[in-house]
Amino acid sequence: KAGVTQTPRYLIKTRGQQVTLSCSPISGHRSVSWYQQTPGQGLQFLFEYFSETQRNKGNFPGRFSGRQFSNSRSEMNVSTLELGDSALYLCASSLGTAQGFSYGYTFGSGTRLTVV
Amino acid sequence: AQSVTQLGSHVSVSEGALVLLRCNYSSSVPPYLFWYVQYPNQGLQLLLKYTSAATLVKGINGFEAEFKKSETSFHLTKPSAHMSDAAEYFCAVSGPNTGNQFYFGTGTSLTVIP
Repeated sequence: KAGVTQTPRYLIKTRGQQVTLSCSPISGHRSVSWYQQTPGQGLQFLFEYFSETQRNKGNFPGRFSGRQFSNSRSEMNVSTLELGDSALYLCASSLGTAQGFSYGYTFGSGTRLTVV
Repeated sequence: AQSVTQLGSHVSVSEGALVLLRCNYSSSVPPYLFWYVQYPNQGLQLLLKYTSAATLVKGINGFEAEFKKSETSFHLTKPSAHMSDAAEYFCAVSGPNTGNQFYFGTGTSLTVIP
C-alpha cells in the first residue's frame, strides 16, 4: 500500500511569509502527527490530529497550526516565518493508540523548509 | 515523564564489526520503545519496537535490541556492520501518559569504515 506522502519536498520562503505543508497518511490511518527536525533541537513534536481533531500539542508558538480533513489528509501552516523555522518537517501517520500506547508511526520523507 | 538518552552522537565501526548503539530511557511506567533509522534527506524508518512481549526484539536488516528493565536500557545491536548501515539512528519512547506522542533521543550517527 502507498506510504505517507508529503508535499512539497523542498520549499524556500522569505522571512515574514507563511507556508502550508501537506501530508497524506496511509490509507486507514486516522492519526497524523507532525514533527520538526533541526540539527540543534533534534526531533520535536508539533501536534497530532485524529479524526479531524487536534488531540495533542507540543511547545510551539501559535504561528504553527494544523488541521485534518475528513479523508485524514493533514496540513500544517506556519505564519510569519522566522529564520529559525528552517527545518525538516516530518509527518507521521498511525492507527492511533490503544490503552494509551501508540501503534507506532510510519513517517513521510519530509518537507525541507528553508527560510531566507 | 518520558525521556530517552542516546550515548554517543557519533559511532564508527569497521565493516563486518559489531554495531552497538546505546539507548537509556526514563519512564515511570513500562514504556513502548522504538528504534528508527534515517538516511540523508529521508524520513524515519522503523527498525524494531518493544511492546512488552519478548525482551529481545528482532528487527529489519539484521538489527536487534534487548529491553533490560533493571538497566532501563534498549541498546541496538547488529553482529556484522555493512556499508549500507551508515545512517542516523534514533531511539524513541512512548507510553500510556504520552498517547501518540513520541519522545526521541538526539540520535547517533553511524559511520561504517570499509
